[in-house]
Amino acid sequence: AQSVAQPEDQVNVAEGNPLTVKCTYSVSGNPYLFWYVQYPNRGLQFLLKYITGDNLVKGSYGFEAEFNKSQTSFHLKKPSALVSDSALYFCAVRVNTGGFKTIFGAGTRLFVKA
Amino acid sequence: NAGVTQTPKFQVLKTGQSMTLQCAQDMNHEYMSWYRQDPGMGLRLIHYSVGAGITDQGEVPNGYNVSRSTTEDFPLRLLSAAPSQTSVYFCASSLLAGSYEQYFGPGTRLTVT
Repeated sequence: AQSVAQPEDQVNVAEGNPLTVKCTYSVSGNPYLFWYVQYPNRGLQFLLKYITGDNLVKGSYGFEAEFNKSQTSFHLKKPSALVSDSALYFCAVRVNTGGFKTIFGAGTRLFVKA
Repeated sequence: NAGVTQTPKFQVLKTGQSMTLQCAQDMNHEYMSWYRQDPGMGLRLIHYSVGAGITDQGEVPNGYNVSRSTTEDFPLRLLSAAPSQTSVYFCASSLLAGSYEQYFGPGTRLTVT
């Protein structure tokens, strides 16, 4: 079965410190991988994606993510966290079977403390 | 360019009532989808469409109907509301290929009593 796992329900980090939000996936074939962010009472917003090429992809708001094929991971990173980064983060994989369905992880809540 | 719009923002229904959640996009996206978001479960796909006149089921379709008569609109119908359908519903759209990101509406918070 195809799935996405975000092993941490919550990540706490101090402002100015680097942050990592973990994601692993299990799909057949080559995946299209995405990160979305959700602020309170809002819809999801696209952050970045991996399609092909360089394993390190850069996205909005200073976020980046590293694709690791051997570990089937796509961890989200930021060198220096801001309080305003506090939000709910979703990893997702889009599969080309049956109409480009997207499978979401359960989400990781990021708290950045001042 | 309004993006993806959803109405209503909030709705309270009684068990057994029916209603339609509206979704529209002005980006000429072929692909549209409906998700429900429940705590600790991420987003689960209810129904999706790859173009006008074409719809298909996602992973949790029971109790919901959809239609796609135009590229812009993709309404979600609850046939007979149940408390288990209490959730936040999101509509999303994208271009038709797996490499494209989805654009999400602001959501509808539905409570069924």
